[in-house]
Amino acid sequence: AQRVTQPEKLLSVFKGAPVELKCNYSYSGSPELFWYVQYSRQRLQLLLRHISRESIKGFTADLNKGETSFHLKKPFAQEEDSAMYYCALSGRKSEKLVFGKGTKLTVNP
Amino acid sequence: GAVVSQHPSRVICKSGTSVKIECRSLDFQATTMFWYRQFPKQSLMLMATSNEGSKATYEQGVEKDKFLINHASLTLSTLTVTSAHPEDSSFYICSATPLSGGAWETQYFGPGTRLLVL
Repeated sequence: AQRVTQPEKLLSVFKGAPVELKCNYSYSGSPELFWYVQYSRQRLQLLLRHISRESIKGFTADLNKGETSFHLKKPFAQEEDSAMYYCALSGRKSEKLVFGKGTKLTVNP
Repeated sequence: GAVVSQHPSRVICKSGTSVKIECRSLDFQATTMFWYRQFPKQSLMLMATSNEGSKATYEQGVEKDKFLINHASLTLSTLTVTSAHPEDSSFYICSATPLSGGAWETQYFGPGTRLLVL
């Protein structure tokens, strides 16, 4: 079964501190993993995806197939990073995304 | 580029009436469009996958006759909530995947439509 687990509903850090949002997945095959972000009153937007191996807004995520994880990390959190973060997986082109329940990140000044 | 719009942004209707929500890809053609439902402070729940020119594929537990999906063109999909009831009140979000030769195309999301059924 396809499943994405984000164990933390809420995560609060101080500005300048490192942040890690956890994501574990279950999928029989080779999935593509994504992180989506939803800022307050804005639409869901792609933050980064495993296949492109980019670093967006200082965030990175490494796919660990052994641990079936795709944790999102940033070394120095900024207040503007406060948002809802959703981890998601997809099996192949145009296949549906399976979302985790999301983690609300709050970066305090 | 890759903008998806939804109309209306919010709608209030009486119980028993039908409501149509449009999803448009503004600057690209979409092979596939997806419809999600999001309850307050919860994740997105996929309702159905819509491919242009064919019947939508509904997720388990989603009533086909209740949530009618029409994907008339490569830039437009509509979701009609028929005989709406208060429990249908929710935030409905669509997304679209561009036509491309690449694998694992990104989904671009619309801003959502807030439906309130009185």
